[in-house]
Amino acid sequence: GAVVSQHPSWVICKSGTSVKIECRSLDFQATTMFWYRQFPKQSLMLMATSNEGSKATYEQGVEKDKFLINHASLTLSTLTVTSAHPEDSSFYICSARDLVGFDFRSNEQFFGPGTRLTVL
Amino acid sequence: LAKTTQPISMDSYEGQEVNITCSHNNIATNDYITWYQQFPSQGPRFIIQGYKTKVTNEVASLFIPADRKSSTLSLPRVSLSDTAVYYCLVGDQTGANNLFFGTGTRLTVIP
Repeated sequence: GAVVSQHPSWVICKSGTSVKIECRSLDFQATTMFWYRQFPKQSLMLMATSNEGSKATYEQGVEKDKFLINHASLTLSTLTVTSAHPEDSSFYICSARDLVGFDFRSNEQFFGPGTRLTVL
Repeated sequence: LAKTTQPISMDSYEGQEVNITCSHNNIATNDYITWYQQFPSQGPRFIIQGYKTKVTNEVASLFIPADRKSSTLSLPRVSLSDTAVYYCLVGDQTGANNLFFGTGTRLTVIP
């Protein structure tokens, strides 16, 4: 199956610093990638949709200037948490979808392993 | 926006069959139903997807009645390693709507 990786798997940073998380599709071209956030014991919450070569679309309530998303290639999307604060501590998960070869499974998302962010 | 409703939690003994039902009363004609499994501190993993009737793969079966307003994920003979959260999502081929996770069902398998 399609593989999505994330780097780093965990990161600890001081309040006020910025953290970049990478999401890579390893064996397919991801025209669309998604970023989710998950707090302990809660469900995944969609933050934004990232399309290769265009600006990301953010969900309501997600600050686009705080969570910078770049999808410069068909295999890489990055999420930068700027001026991180303790309330940004969460589990960040990306997923990727390949819309090429359109079939009924094309809406399947392939998820990365997640990145645990802890802001002190 | 299709919304799904699932039981918050379920317990089962090892070796039993587990059925998790998901309600999606507002499912649209073009929507498919997809189930994911998530272990703690991991990304969700695709289990099964279907549109109508019954779908079976090597790990689970998915039962969808004619009105498609609900679906049931069936896990045969669960083991301790099946303890996880199970999510059902609905969405069409464009991917709209199937990006929104509900509460999921936390399945605990007991020895």
